[in-house]
Amino acid sequence: SQTIHQWPATLVQPVGSPLSLECTVEGTSNPNLYWYRQAAGRGLQLLFYSVGIGQISSEVPQNLSASRPQDRQFILSSKKLLLSDSGFYLCAWSDGNSNEKLFFGSGTQLSVL
Amino acid sequence: KNQVEQSPQSLIILEGKNCTLQCNYTVSPFSNLRWYKQDTGRGPVSLTIMTFSENTKSNGRYTATLDADTKQSSLHITASQLSDSASYICVALSDYKLSFGAGTTVTVRA
Repeated sequence: SQTIHQWPATLVQPVGSPLSLECTVEGTSNPNLYWYRQAAGRGLQLLFYSVGIGQISSEVPQNLSASRPQDRQFILSSKKLLLSDSGFYLCAWSDGNSNEKLFFGSGTQLSVL
Repeated sequence: KNQVEQSPQSLIILEGKNCTLQCNYTVSPFSNLRWYKQDTGRGPVSLTIMTFSENTKSNGRYTATLDADTKQSSLHITASQLSDSASYICVALSDYKLSFGAGTTVTVRA
C-alpha cells in the first residue's frame, strides 16, 4: 500500500534562517507531488507541484522553493525565512495517471519567530 | 475565478445528533467534487468524490450530495460521534486544478 511521510511535524525557526521540509512517498511510482500551505480560516493554497523528477511548477511567487531530486521525494526550502512563512504545510501526492484522489501527509506546523 | 464557499464556518452539536454542512462552488468546467475530513494538526483525508452524474455518495455515517445545476453540495453526518470533531473541507476539481473551501469546523460534545 502507498504511504506518505512528511517531517518534521513541528518546527520553530528564527527569521532569516533556512528551511528544509521533506516529503517521501512509498508504494507508488511517478506520482504527482504537491506542497500546500494552510492558513487559519482559509482554504489550502497550492505552492508547488511536480509531475516528475526535476520538474517543478510554482503557483504563487514567494520566498520558498521546491525540489524533486528523486521520483518519490519532494523538498520545500527557503534560504531566509520570513515571519509570513509561518503556517501549516502539507505535502500530498496523487496518481500520475488518474489524478483522482489526493493523499496528504500529516503536515508540518512552522512557526517563524 | 474558481471559488468554493462553505457554511457554516463552525458548528457545535451534541453527540448522537445529525448535522449538514454546505458547499457552493463556482468552478468551470467542473470535473468532480470532494469532501475531506481534517483532524486538528493532521493532513486531510478523503471522504467522498462525486462526478457530475452522481447525486449522492455515502461513506459510513457520512453522506454527500451534489446538485450540479445549482453548483451546491452538502455533507450530512448521521448520529455524530466525538471522533467526528474535525474540519470538513469541500474541494472542487476543474481542469486538473483543485479549489479548496476554507472548511467547516465541527465540534461534537458529549
